[in-house]
Amino acid sequence: AQSVTQPDIHITVSEGASLELRCNYSYGATPYLFWYVQSPGQGLQLLLKYFSGDTLVQGIKGFEAEFKRSQSSFNLRKPSVHWSDAAEYFCAVGAFYSSASKIIFGSGTRLSIRP
Amino acid sequence: NAGVTQTPKFRVLKTGQSMTLLCAQDMNHEYMYWYRQDPGMGLRLIHYSVGEGTTAKGEVPDGYNVSRLKKQNFLLGLESAAPSQTSVYFCATVGRDRRGEQYFGPGTRLTVT
Repeated sequence: AQSVTQPDIHITVSEGASLELRCNYSYGATPYLFWYVQSPGQGLQLLLKYFSGDTLVQGIKGFEAEFKRSQSSFNLRKPSVHWSDAAEYFCAVGAFYSSASKIIFGSGTRLSIRP
Repeated sequence: NAGVTQTPKFRVLKTGQSMTLLCAQDMNHEYMYWYRQDPGMGLRLIHYSVGEGTTAKGEVPDGYNVSRLKKQNFLLGLESAAPSQTSVYFCATVGRDRRGEQYFGPGTRLTVT
């Protein structure tokens, strides 16, 4: 069965520092991988996605993620965080077939920014 | 285009009452999903649908029923609400190209007392 693990519940980084949020997945084949961001009281916004090809994926707001098949990981990175990046981040894995297509989310990592 | 809409936005129920949440989309997407979001639990898939007239169970289906009689609508029903169903409910859709990018509704905040 598909599963997604985000091992860090809460991370605090200083403004301007680099960021890496971890995501590990379990899936039998190459999955579709996503990172979403959710600000307080808001819905989810897609940051980036990986389907195939280049394993380094660029997203919006200066984020990138790298797919590492050998480690079953899809970690999210940003070279320099801004106070506006404080939010909750969700990694998700999806599989699509004609009879069973679904996306499973990790439990999220809450990011706080230290001034 | 309205995208994905959810009705209602807020609701308070007493234990044992029933209600239906409506998700409507105008993007002609094949796949529709209902999630619940609870603190520290992320989004958990309740039920989903891969097309009109079809539904399937997700991770946490107990206590919920769904129907997809029309392609554009996906209904989530609570037959007998329990306090454990207090949550924020999100609907999402995915297009036929199966690229997996989900479009989310704004959410419904449900409180069961």
